[in-house]
Amino acid sequence: EVQLVESGGVVVQPGGSLRLSCAASGFTFDDYAMHWVRQAPGKGLEWVSLITWDGGSTYYADSVKGRFTISRDNSKNSLYLLMNSLTAEDTALYYCAQESTFGGVIKDWGQGTLVTVSS
Amino acid sequence: EIVLTQSPGTLSLSPGERATLSCRASQSVSSSYLAWYQQKPGQAPRLLIYDAASRATGIPDRFSGSGSGTDFTLTISRLEPEDFAVYYCQQYGSSPPITFGQGTRLEIK
Repeated sequence: EVQLVESGGVVVQPGGSLRLSCAASGFTFDDYAMHWVRQAPGKGLEWVSLITWDGGSTYYADSVKGRFTISRDNSKNSLYLLMNSLTAEDTALYYCAQESTFGGVIKDWGQGTLVTVSS
Repeated sequence: EIVLTQSPGTLSLSPGERATLSCRASQSVSSSYLAWYQQKPGQAPRLLIYDAASRATGIPDRFSGSGSGTDFTLTISRLEPEDFAVYYCQQYGSSPPITFGQGTRLEIK
């Protein structure tokens, strides 16, 4: 059974930084691209970032480009999101998500970790 | 970037009725690379449909997807009580970035 467990969400001040982690199990982690998707309270889904299976390529939404960095450690079956220069607009539940073999389709999701940016 | 517009915003129906949800893209979605997800309160989204019309593993056959180009539809043939949720479409034809629609809330009438 696929398990994706996010951690690291806290209350952080505007301008602050945070690193989210996602521990993956139940599948061969380094076979799959991985995503971060976020959901602001009461709002819809917003794609944030994608990293290929080997970490060789990364992609970002315009809203986070230059501030967020996605990375992975395949030896630890872990995905990360480093977030800098946080603003109130970054307040959201952040989901770690596994891409399917179909490409671009998100097959499995974690339960999310909540990031709140507030003074 | 492809923008997806879902309609209606809210759909009020009764169990046993048929639900038709629409997703319109601002430009053609390559190879019908469109997916549908269901999200219930307090839960992560769940993949229902991919490649516009293929059901994901374990999804009941009352869920079906159709469409191509810029117009896509999710149909639930006979609503069960557990089907009342928010539904999102997502395109991955020109990914990245992948983009989501804003969602349709399916509520009990």
